[in-house]
Amino acid sequence: DAGVIQSPRHEVTEMGQEVTLRCKPISGHNSLFWYRQTMMRGLELLIYFNNNVPIDDSGMPEDRFSAKMPNASFSTLKIQPSEPRDSAVYFCASSLTLRGILHNEKLFFGSGTQLSVL
Amino acid sequence: QKEVEQNSGPLSVPEGAIASLNCTYSDRGSQSFFWYRQYSGKSPELIMFIYSNGDKEDGRFTAQLNKASQYVSLLIRDSQPSDSATYLCAPTSGGYNKLIFGAGTRLAVHP
Repeated sequence: DAGVIQSPRHEVTEMGQEVTLRCKPISGHNSLFWYRQTMMRGLELLIYFNNNVPIDDSGMPEDRFSAKMPNASFSTLKIQPSEPRDSAVYFCASSLTLRGILHNEKLFFGSGTQLSVL
Repeated sequence: QKEVEQNSGPLSVPEGAIASLNCTYSDRGSQSFFWYRQYSGKSPELIMFIYSNGDKEDGRFTAQLNKASQYVSLLIRDSQPSDSATYLCAPTSGGYNKLIFGAGTRLAVHP
C-alpha cells in the first residue's frame, strides 16, 4: 500500500489567497484526521471524519477553515482567505476504524504539507 | 492548563544511557496512551502504546502509566544516536477516542 498520500508537499502563497490541501487515506481505512503542527502549538487536531462524516470539528481555528470528505478515498482542507499565522505543517492521518484507537490501532500519517503564507 | 504537557527539551543523554521522557494529561477519561516518534522533517510514527497501569516493555522501550496521577512516561534503554528525535505523548480523549498530542520532547543522544 502507498500509505496516506498528501498533496502538495509544499505550498507557498500570499495572504488572502485560497489554499486547498488534499489527502488520500489508506484504502479500507474508515477514519481520517487533519492535524496542524507548529513549533509554538505542537500537533493540533483540527477535524476528523468517520465513514466520510465529520465527527468533531472543534479544533478548526476559524470559519476560514473548512474540510470535506466527499468519498472514502479523498479529503480536502481549505483555507480561505489564508493568513501568515496559518503557516504550518498540515498532516493528514487515517486509521482502520475510530473505535479501534481504544484497542491500540495506530494512526498512519501522511508526509505532510508545508504551508507558507507570505 | 494544556491537555497534554511534556517538557520540550532538548533532553541530552550520552549513548548507552537511559532516556526518560515524561507526560502528564488532564482528561481523566483517557483510556489509551500512545508514544509517537517524529524525526526532523518527517511524520510521526507509533512506537508504543499502553492502557493498563504499570509498565509495558517492548525491546529497548518501556512505557509506564499511572492513571491516578495522570502520568505516563517512556524509558529508552541503551540510547542510540538514531533515537534522537521528538517524542510525542498522545492520550485518547473524547467520546470517539480521538488522539490529542503533546508538543513533544526533543531527545538528543550524543556519542
